[in-house]
Amino acid sequence: DIVMTQSPDSLAVSLGERATINCKSSQSVLYSSNNKNYLAWHQQRPGQPPKLLIYWASTRESGVPDRFRGSGSGTDFTLTISSLQAEDVAVYYCQQYYTTPPTFGQGTKVEIK
Amino acid sequence: QVLLVESGGDVVQPGKSLRLSCAASGFTFSNSGMHWVRQAPGKGLEWVAVIWYDGSTKHYADSVKGRFIISRDNSENMLYLQMNSLRVEDTAVYYCARGGGATYDMDVWGLGTTVTVSS
Repeated sequence: DIVMTQSPDSLAVSLGERATINCKSSQSVLYSSNNKNYLAWHQQRPGQPPKLLIYWASTRESGVPDRFRGSGSGTDFTLTISSLQAEDVAVYYCQQYYTTPPTFGQGTKVEIK
Repeated sequence: QVLLVESGGDVVQPGKSLRLSCAASGFTFSNSGMHWVRQAPGKGLEWVAVIWYDGSTKHYADSVKGRFIISRDNSENMLYLQMNSLRVEDTAVYYCARGGGATYDMDVWGLGTTVTVSS
């Protein structure tokens, strides 16, 4: 199984400041035939189901604010929230969909400082 | 809009069975792979099972293989999870999720249904 490891486990950021979450996979999730990284980011606000934010490592889902940016390739990925808003308080999960079983990182909890 | 509504969660004793349902609407269900994903209390997300758009292929997490069965009824836009030989560690919120275009991705999530396994 591909193991997804996120860092940090939690972070507190002031409103309007940048939040950065890292995700590392135990093997590459870059599919060479189409040059796509099979990596998604999901957001789970308190008491709510998860919601897809980003897929193909850097493509924002429709309706997701452009302050959310995904980057990286191969085994190392980053989710950046450029200017944290109150509604961004949530747990963020990276997920690989390169192969079965699809696996998630342990989650990173983002709070307001 | 795309909507997934799970039902069937309950409190059951270890060793018993339960069937979860997920009603889909707002998209062409028969064109989409579907997943079950669970979340134990206070824990992260754990993928459980996937079924391809036509039901021809199914994959399971090792933790549920041989005990859970995923199925679908494309005529009714319904997804199911038959859960047998339930264990305490199966206690979780169970979400159904629509597969995106890449087999093992998930682009829409349901609200979830709670399963509690306890004696």
